[in-house]
Amino acid sequence: DIQMTQSPSSLSASVGDRVTITCRASQSISTYLNWYQQKPGKAPRLLIYGASSLQSGVPSRFSGSGSGTDFTLTISSLQPEDFATYYCQQTYSAPFTFGGGTKVEIK
Amino acid sequence: EVQLVESGGGLVQPGGSLRLSCAASGFTFSRYWMSWVRQAPGKRLEWVANIKEDGSEKHYVDSLKGRFIISRDNAKNSLYLQMNSLRAEDTAVYYCARDSNHCHEEWGQGTLVTVSS
Repeated sequence: DIQMTQSPSSLSASVGDRVTITCRASQSISTYLNWYQQKPGKAPRLLIYGASSLQSGVPSRFSGSGSGTDFTLTISSLQPEDFATYYCQQTYSAPFTFGGGTKVEIK
Repeated sequence: EVQLVESGGGLVQPGGSLRLSCAASGFTFSRYWMSWVRQAPGKRLEWVANIKEDGSEKHYVDSLKGRFIISRDNAKNSLYLQMNSLRAEDTAVYYCARDSNHCHEEWGQGTLVTVSS
């Protein structure tokens, strides 16, 4: 199975900050990498698919990059509604494993 | 509007069985792969299984093979997960998801399964 490692596991940031979350795959997954946002008690929401494609309806302050084994999710200017947990997921090969999550908290 | 509504969760004893359902609406169900994803309390998301548009192809996480069975009824716009020989570690919120572009682009609200005596 492909292991997905996210860092950091949590971070504190202020509204307006630029936030970067990284995700590393245990082997090359090309660009089969997705990012999801999850708020407490809610279902995950797709933000980015194919490493860098913005899902319809997602604000443009979210962006993704990377290929192979190293990927990044960037929030260019953190907004109050962005405080949540973010997960990466590889869909290169089954089982489609998720990272451990990054909790973004208010500083 | 796309809607995925899970049902069938609840409290079940270890060794018991449960069948989850996911009712889909707002899109042509038969044109999409579908998945089940679960999340144990305080844990990361875990992909469980997926099924092809016509049900002819299914994939499972290895640890659940033989105990869980994914199926679908396109005439009823419904996805199912039959869970057998349940264990405490199967306690989780179970989500159904619509797949497209190699991702889970739409999610249901989830249904909680608790395995406990």
